[in-house]
Amino acid sequence: NAGVTQTPKFQVLKTGQSMTLQCAQDMNHNSMYWYRQDPGMGLRLIYYSASEGTTDKGEVPNGYNVSRLNKREFSLRLESAAPSQTSVYFCASRKASGQETQYFGPGTRLLVL
Amino acid sequence: QKEVEQNSGPLSVPEGAIASLNCTYSDRGSQSFFWYRQYSGKSPELIMFIYSNGDKEDGRFTAQLNKASQYVSLLIRDSQPSDSATYLCATENQGGKLIFGQGTELSVKP
Repeated sequence: NAGVTQTPKFQVLKTGQSMTLQCAQDMNHNSMYWYRQDPGMGLRLIYYSASEGTTDKGEVPNGYNVSRLNKREFSLRLESAAPSQTSVYFCASRKASGQETQYFGPGTRLLVL
Repeated sequence: QKEVEQNSGPLSVPEGAIASLNCTYSDRGSQSFFWYRQYSGKSPELIMFIYSNGDKEDGRFTAQLNKASQYVSLLIRDSQPSDSATYLCATENQGGKLIFGQGTELSVKP
């Protein structure tokens, strides 16, 4: 099992460009999450999907959109990138709320110039 | 007030000593508590989770939960240089979302 995979590993964007971060899990988990991590800020939840077909906002959703394409895949889209979105993005999955823990992908480092 | 608070450190301990990491939380409805370890440039990995008041031990790690005082701690016995990392505390709120603290950087000196 690959667990949680993310692509790309690293990306440089110019202000105003758009991009989609991809995430996939092969653990048959129901819930999937997108976080960003900035120095001194810990992990902040952007969006999550409790189950296939549902998505909901987290703590810092502005400037982002998500798509739960199927049970395996959960993508994060930046429509018009801003320097404030420079961060490390982690995708995570979990069997279900209240069950066990989240498993994290390796992360995507995004630099917006 | 942040929902989950940790001392950002760095916390420095000598090799072989006990490292004590602390976390407080504000949501009295929190039911589940997690400790993650994150090496520099890597993703977080689960060390321990605890649901009930008291202590839970796993090898060199002990998690302690006190719901009345709203704190959870992690003790690392016989600390090793390989334990040097950032430790993230997380609580699960009633909506099923994990809320993370900002992390405590631990440095174990040989």
